[in-house]
Amino acid sequence: DAKTTQPNSMESNEEEPVHLPCNHSTISGTDYIHWYRQLPSQGPEYVIHGLTSNVNNRMASLAIAEDRKSSTLILHRATLRDAAVYYCILRDAGGTSYGKLTFGQGTILTVHP
Amino acid sequence: EAQVTQNPRYLITVTGKKLTVTCSQNMNHEYMSWYRQDPGLGLRQIYYSMNVEVTDKGDVPEGYKVSRKEKRNFPLILESPSPNQTSLYFCASRRQGSYEQYFGPGTRLTVT
Repeated sequence: DAKTTQPNSMESNEEEPVHLPCNHSTISGTDYIHWYRQLPSQGPEYVIHGLTSNVNNRMASLAIAEDRKSSTLILHRATLRDAAVYYCILRDAGGTSYGKLTFGQGTILTVHP
Repeated sequence: EAQVTQNPRYLITVTGKKLTVTCSQNMNHEYMSWYRQDPGLGLRQIYYSMNVEVTDKGDVPEGYKVSRKEKRNFPLILESPSPNQTSLYFCASRRQGSYEQYFGPGTRLTVT
C-alpha cells in the first residue's frame, strides 16, 4: 500500500478554519484519497474521499494537488466536536485490497474554545 | 438508525477461555471486516467478508476465526485467547460499490 505522511498534531481555535495536510508522494493512478476521523472513545468515522478533483461535502472539503502527491482536508469552521484523530488513507480502487483501509498514526487535532 | 453494533463493549477474560465478540449491522451491507487497534500500530485488519459465506484473511488473522452465516452478522471468535490479543477491536461494514465504511463503537478486550 502507498504510504501517507501526516503531522502528529495540530491545534486550532473554535470557529476558525483548519487545514490538515497529507503527503502521499508514491500514490498510484488508481488510489483514492480517503479521510476518516476518530473521536475520543469512538470508532472511526468517514469524512470525505476523492480521486483527482477537489471535493466538498457537509463535513469538510478535500483539496487535492494537481500532481496528487499531497492533499489537504479543510474544516471550514472548527468546533469543539471536531477534536479527533484525522487519518489520511489511500485505497486502491482496483487490485485485491477489497476495501481494506490501512490506517497510519493520523493527526491529533486539538480545538481550543 | 443505521448502525454497526458490537457486543460486549468491554471484556476481561483469562488466557485460553474461548470467547466471541458479536458484530451486527442493519444496513444490508455486503462487506464486513474486523480491525484491531493498538497504540503505535494504528488499526490493522484481521478478517473481512465480501458476502455471506465468503471470508478471507486480513493482515493479522493469527489466533482469530470468523464466520458469516447471515448477511447482518459477522462474529469474531478467539478460540484460545492470549495476552497479546489484548486490544481494542472494531467491526466495520460497507455497501458493495460504496467507499464509505461504517465502524462500530469498539470492544475493549483484556486477556490476563
